[in-house]
Amino acid sequence: EAGVAQSPRYKIIEKRQSVAFWCNPISGHATLYWYQQILGQGPKLLIQFQNNGVVDDSQLPKDRFSAERLKGVDSTLKIQPAKLEDSAVYLCASSWDGAYEQYFGPGTRLTVT
Amino acid sequence: RKEVEQDPGPFNVPEGATVAFNCTYSNSASQSFFWYRQDCRKEPKLLMSVYSSGNEDGRFTAQLNRASQYISLLIRDSKLSDSATYLCAVNDGGNQFYFGTGTSLTVIP
Repeated sequence: EAGVAQSPRYKIIEKRQSVAFWCNPISGHATLYWYQQILGQGPKLLIQFQNNGVVDDSQLPKDRFSAERLKGVDSTLKIQPAKLEDSAVYLCASSWDGAYEQYFGPGTRLTVT
Repeated sequence: RKEVEQDPGPFNVPEGATVAFNCTYSNSASQSFFWYRQDCRKEPKLLMSVYSSGNEDGRFTAQLNRASQYISLLIRDSKLSDSATYLCAVNDGGNQFYFGTGTSLTVIP
C-alpha cells in the first residue's frame, strides 16, 4: 500500500515570498492533517480535513496560511507571505477517520531566509 | 494546561536496560491513544496503539491508566536502534488529536 506522498521535500525561500506544499493521502483515507513541526517540538496541528470539509483550523495563521482539499483527496497548503518563523517541517498525515491512527508523509522542510 | 504532556528527557540508558515513558492527558473523554517513534529528520511512524487492556509488541509494552489519565510505554532490553524521540498522541473523544512534544531516548553502547 502506497504511503502519504508529499512534495517538495525541501524548499528554501526568502521572507515575504510565497510557497505551496502538496500532499496525497493514503487511498481511502477520509481525514487529512497538516502539521507544523519546529525543531525540538512535537507536531502542531494546522488544519484537519474530513473529506473536503474543514474540521479544525483553529491554529492556522489565516492571515498568511491557507489550505484546500477540493475533491476530498489531495491537498495543498500555502504560505503567503512567508516569515522567518515559518521555517519548519510541514507534515501531512492521513487516517481512515479522525479517531484512528494517523500515517505521516515524509514532510517538507522549509527554510525561510 | 496542555492537552498532552511528556517529559522531554533526554533519557540516556545503557544497552539492555529497561526504560519507561509516561504521557499525561487532560481530557477525560479521550478515547484513542498512540505511541509514535520519530527518528532525527524523519517523519513520525506509528509504533503502537494503546488499548484499555494494554498492548504488547515484542520488547514494547503500552498501557493506559484512565484513572490517572496517562499512558505509558515500556521498552525492555533496549537496543541501540531504539534511540529516537517517542511521541504520544491522544484523541479528544471526537475527531481531533493532540501530540506531545516527545521524549528523547539515547541508548548507549
